[in-house]
Amino acid sequence: GQNIDQPTEMTATEGAIVQINCTYQTSGFNGLFWYQQHAGEAPTFLSYNVLDGLEEKGRFSSFLSRSKGYSYLLLKELQMKDSASYLCAVRENSGNTPLVFGKGTRLSVIA
Amino acid sequence: EAGVVQSPRYKIIEKKQPVAFWCNPISGHNTLYWYRQNLGQGPELLIRYENEEAVDDSQLPKDRFSAERLKGVDSTLKIQPAELGDSAVYLCASSSPLKTQYFGPGTRLLVL
Repeated sequence: GQNIDQPTEMTATEGAIVQINCTYQTSGFNGLFWYQQHAGEAPTFLSYNVLDGLEEKGRFSSFLSRSKGYSYLLLKELQMKDSASYLCAVRENSGNTPLVFGKGTRLSVIA
Repeated sequence: EAGVVQSPRYKIIEKKQPVAFWCNPISGHNTLYWYRQNLGQGPELLIRYENEEAVDDSQLPKDRFSAERLKGVDSTLKIQPAELGDSAVYLCASSSPLKTQYFGPGTRLLVL
C-alpha cells in the first residue's frame, strides 16, 4: 500500500529556520516532490529529489534518503508569505505516472 | 507562457444536479491529470490522460463521474448526479514527458 506521513501543523517565527519532515512507504519510488499550496490556491512546485542528498534552491532546500524512506523540506529566513501548506508527494513509477500525496503540513509563520 | 487554465473557479449546485469542469493544459503537455482534493487532505488522482487516451482511471467513480479529452488538448470532467460527498476542489495538472506536473487553480465545488 501507499503511506506518506508528514506533520499536520507547524508554527515558526519570522526569520527562523523550519524543517518539515516526510516519511514514505510506497510500492515503488521514482522521485519525491515538494509543493507549496496557499489557502484556496493550486499547489506550486518547489523541489524534486530522485537521488540521495540535498538539493538547494534559494531559501528552500530538500533532502532525500531513499534507504530510510525519508525526506525533509528546509525553509530558511522565514517570511510571513511562507505561511502555507507544504505537500510531500512520491512518484512511484517511471514515466508520467501520477503523484501520491501526503496530507500536507500547514505552516504558520508568526512575527 | 500561460499556465493550466480551469473553469469555473467556483461552483455551487444542489445534490442530484449535474456539473462539469473544464481544463486547458499548458501548451505542448501531452499528459493531463484530474485530481480531487478534500479539505485538509492532499490531492488524489481521479484520471490520467496520455494525449486523448485515458491510461489510469482506476480511482474514478465511474457510476457518476466521466471525463473526456477528445482532441488530446483540453479536457472536461463531469459528475452526474452530484452527491454531497463530492464537495471538494477539483484540480487539473499537466506535464510533458518525464517532467514536473503543474497544477491549475482548481474548481471549488460545493454540493448542497
